[in-house]
Amino acid sequence: DGGITQSPKYLFRKEGQNVTLSCEQNLNHDAMYWYRQDPGQGLRLIYYSQIVNDFQKGDIAEGYSVSREKKESFPLTVTSAQKNPTAFYLCASSISQGYGYTFGSGTRLTVV
Amino acid sequence: KNEVEQSPQNLTAQEGEFITINCSYSVGISALHWLQQHPGGGIVSLFMLSSGKKKHGRLIATINIQEKHSSLHITASHPRDSAVYICAVRQTSGSRLTFGEGTQLTVNP
Repeated sequence: DGGITQSPKYLFRKEGQNVTLSCEQNLNHDAMYWYRQDPGQGLRLIYYSQIVNDFQKGDIAEGYSVSREKKESFPLTVTSAQKNPTAFYLCASSISQGYGYTFGSGTRLTVV
Repeated sequence: KNEVEQSPQNLTAQEGEFITINCSYSVGISALHWLQQHPGGGIVSLFMLSSGKKKHGRLIATINIQEKHSSLHITASHPRDSAVYICAVRQTSGSRLTFGEGTQLTVNP
């Protein structure tokens, strides 16, 4: 079955370390997104990509980086510059015109 | 003011009750999504609407484009409906979604 796979489900890192979250889709979707969710807040867009080798900053891109070398993959790196990285991170994809969104199951990152 | 506002923030119901969750938005949209997030965190898409009404099982979603308002109804609610329900809009330009803060629904047996 087609879908989005995020790994790992839980991730613990020490402060000051970079960490990369994986997101893979086999839906042949052109667009992919990374969102951050904090308690009591709506999902906020970190980065998005509409085609391979191209991506745009979302509303809260500072301290994060992404790459889109393959259509299927859109990894997110949380760098040491991100001041408050502990959060729940969701990856999503959609058909290029923005329809048919599919979400991953999320990665809960805890920085200690 | 958020571009997408949901009400109520929290809702507790008894099993069998009819439930309504509301979503108002202030931007031009091409589609509105209702999503369900279970305690584990994964999100499932329930409906995508651009006009009128959709029904799936016990769930009904309506949208009024002129009033910039949508409602999600759950008939004969059940404890397994307990989840966070999220409204998200796709603005007229681009493929990005803007999300409401979600409504935490708890259905007690």
